[in-house]
Amino acid sequence: QVQLVQSGAEVKKPGSSVKVSCKASGGTFSTYAISWVRQAAGQGLEWMGGIIPVFGTANYTQKFQGRVTITADEFTNTAYMELSSLRSEDTAVYFCSRDGANGRIDSWGQGTLVTVSS
Amino acid sequence: DIQMTQSPSSLSASVGDRVTITCRASQSMSSYLNWYQQKPGKAPKLLIYAASRLQSGVPSRFSGSGSGTDFTLSISSLQPEDFATYYCQQSYITPYTFGQGTNLEI
Repeated sequence: QVQLVQSGAEVKKPGSSVKVSCKASGGTFSTYAISWVRQAAGQGLEWMGGIIPVFGTANYTQKFQGRVTITADEFTNTAYMELSSLRSEDTAVYFCSRDGANGRIDSWGQGTLVTVSS
Repeated sequence: DIQMTQSPSSLSASVGDRVTITCRASQSMSSYLNWYQQKPGKAPKLLIYAASRLQSGVPSRFSGSGSGTDFTLSISSLQPEDFATYYCQQSYITPYTFGQGTNLEI
C-alpha cells in the first residue's frame, strides 16, 4: 500500500499563499488520483480537489476554484496543493490522499496543519 | 454537487450495542458510497467501499448496505476502539462530497 508523507506545519499571514507537499512511496503514483481534503478544528471533512498525475489536469470543488492549485510531479512521486489569498477560515489540517478504484480513499497522508494568523 | 446528509450527528452507545448510521444523497449515485472512521488527531480510515464491501483488515462487525440515495453503516457489537467519528463519502462524481459526520460516543 502506498505511503503518503506530507510537509510540516505552516503559519501564514492573511493574504499570503501556502504550498503543501505530499510524497508517495511504496506503491503506484502516476495512475491513481491524489486528492486533497481539509478539516478545520472540530469540523468535518471537505474535499478540495484532485489530480491524476499521469494526466496532469486537476479538478477542484467550486468553493476553492481560483484559489487552489493542485499539481503532481511523476518523477519525484510528489503532489502539491497551493492555496492563495489565505484568510483565517483557511486554518485547518490539510490531508493528501490516494483514491483507489471507484474513488474510495485507501491511503492518507498524516495531515499538515496550516494556521492563518496576523 | 451531491449533498450528503448523515444521521444522527451524534450517537451515544455502550460496548456490545449494535448501532446504525444512515447517509442520504441528494441524487442517485448507484453504489459509489464509502464509509470512514476517524479518531482525534488522526487521518480517516476506510472501512467500507462501494456501499457494502469491507476494506481489507477491517473487522467483520462493520457492514454497509444501500444503493441509489440511501445507505447505512452498521456496527454489530461495539468495541471500545469503535468510539470515533464516522463519515460517508460519495465517489460517484466530483467533487467527492462527505457527510457531516456522526460522533459515536459512550
